[in-house]
Amino acid sequence: DIQMTQSPSSLSASVGDRVTITCRASQGISPFLNWYQHKPGVAPRLLIFGASSLPSGVPSRFTGSGSGTDFTLTISSLQPEDFATYYCQQSYSSPRTFGQGTRLEIK
Amino acid sequence: QLQLQESGPGLVRPSETLTLTCTVIGGSISSGDYSWGWVRQSPRKGLEWLGSIYNNGFSDDSPSFRSRASLSVDTSKNQFSLRVSSVTAADTAIYFCARYDYDKSVDAFDIWGQGTAVTVSS
Repeated sequence: DIQMTQSPSSLSASVGDRVTITCRASQGISPFLNWYQHKPGVAPRLLIFGASSLPSGVPSRFTGSGSGTDFTLTISSLQPEDFATYYCQQSYSSPRTFGQGTRLEIK
Repeated sequence: QLQLQESGPGLVRPSETLTLTCTVIGGSISSGDYSWGWVRQSPRKGLEWLGSIYNNGFSDDSPSFRSRASLSVDTSKNQFSLRVSSVTAADTAIYFCARYDYDKSVDAFDIWGQGTAVTVSS
């Protein structure tokens, strides 16, 4: 199985800050890397697919980048609704595996 | 807008079989290049993919659950289901159903249900 490692595991930031979350795969997976946002009690939301593509309706302040084994999710200017947990997931091979999550909290 | 809604027992006794159902609302389970899967979330393991099933009944299972989990689809009811046998406390989790867009330009879980909490306890 491909192991996905996110860092940091938690992060405190303020509205308006720029934040970056990193995801590292145990082998090359380009470009099969997705990012999800999850808030308690709400359905998880696909934020980024194919490492850098945004689904319709996702704000442009979310940016995905990276290749090979190393990927990043950047939020350019945090909004109050962005405080959530973020997960990366590889779709390179089965079984689909997720990172352990990064909890983004209000400072 | 297509939505997914999980349903299940909430509480299951150890060694019993857990059955969860996901209803597809606002669209057909039979249309498009999609599979229908299950992901669970637990404090110990985070998010784990259990398996996915296609409209034709072909399923892709995680090796970690293959011996205990089975998936099925009922296109007449617009539903798909997960059965996990011989449950233990380690199966306590929030279970999500999700649509997987396997078009290679997407290749992601693009729609999720809100999740249903399952506790394994006597």
